[in-house]
Amino acid sequence: GAGVSQSPSNKVTEKGKDVELRCDPISGHTALYWYRQSLGQGLEFLIYFQGNSAPDKSGLPSDRFSAERTGGSVSTLTIQRTQQEDSAVYLCASSLVSGNQPQHFGDGTRLSIL
Amino acid sequence: AQSVTQLGSHVSVSEGALVLLRCNYSSSVPPYLFWYVQYPNQGLQLLLKYTSAATLVKGINGFEAEFKKSETSFHLTKPSAHMSDAAEYFCAVIFGAGSYQLTFGKGTKLSVIP
Repeated sequence: GAGVSQSPSNKVTEKGKDVELRCDPISGHTALYWYRQSLGQGLEFLIYFQGNSAPDKSGLPSDRFSAERTGGSVSTLTIQRTQQEDSAVYLCASSLVSGNQPQHFGDGTRLSIL
Repeated sequence: AQSVTQLGSHVSVSEGALVLLRCNYSSSVPPYLFWYVQYPNQGLQLLLKYTSAATLVKGINGFEAEFKKSETSFHLTKPSAHMSDAAEYFCAVIFGAGSYQLTFGKGTKLSVIP
């Protein structure tokens, strides 16, 4: 498809397990972003990738969270040793370049930690 | 501090009535402003953006917003509400050139009464 694709759409896992969330951005978009949407905190920025530059990880809430972007395209967000407070919808977005270009969002991955 | 405030977490209007969703921001630098809409179990869809051109911005689905620098506001309006407009609306800001992360308001859930 032409939009941002995220998988899985839903993920239920037990506390303490590791999870991987995948994002496939719009073709040709060099900037990729991860956000988290939760009831208590609203929408929060997590991490930003731009081309081959070092990512901005300033929004990651703890060192259990990491992300990578391979070949300037697909990105994976990994959460290790999941906790119940990690339950949220994780949204990925991409844009042509960074700055004032609109960010286009995927449908998100709804993560539930039991 | 830079922030985004949406007045009213829930707004109800009658079908055919004016829709007005409020957004104010606090910033020491010229902002880039966006409105997004989110339907249940979906990601965020861009409605419109302001990036320092015309202060009145027209978007999709008949929505428009006006940037008022003196009031630090970017309110979203639509002359006549449709049932299909029922969704959650988010105001988002990129604070200044060189920045890229979206800072979101808490969102306003719009209900349309038949």
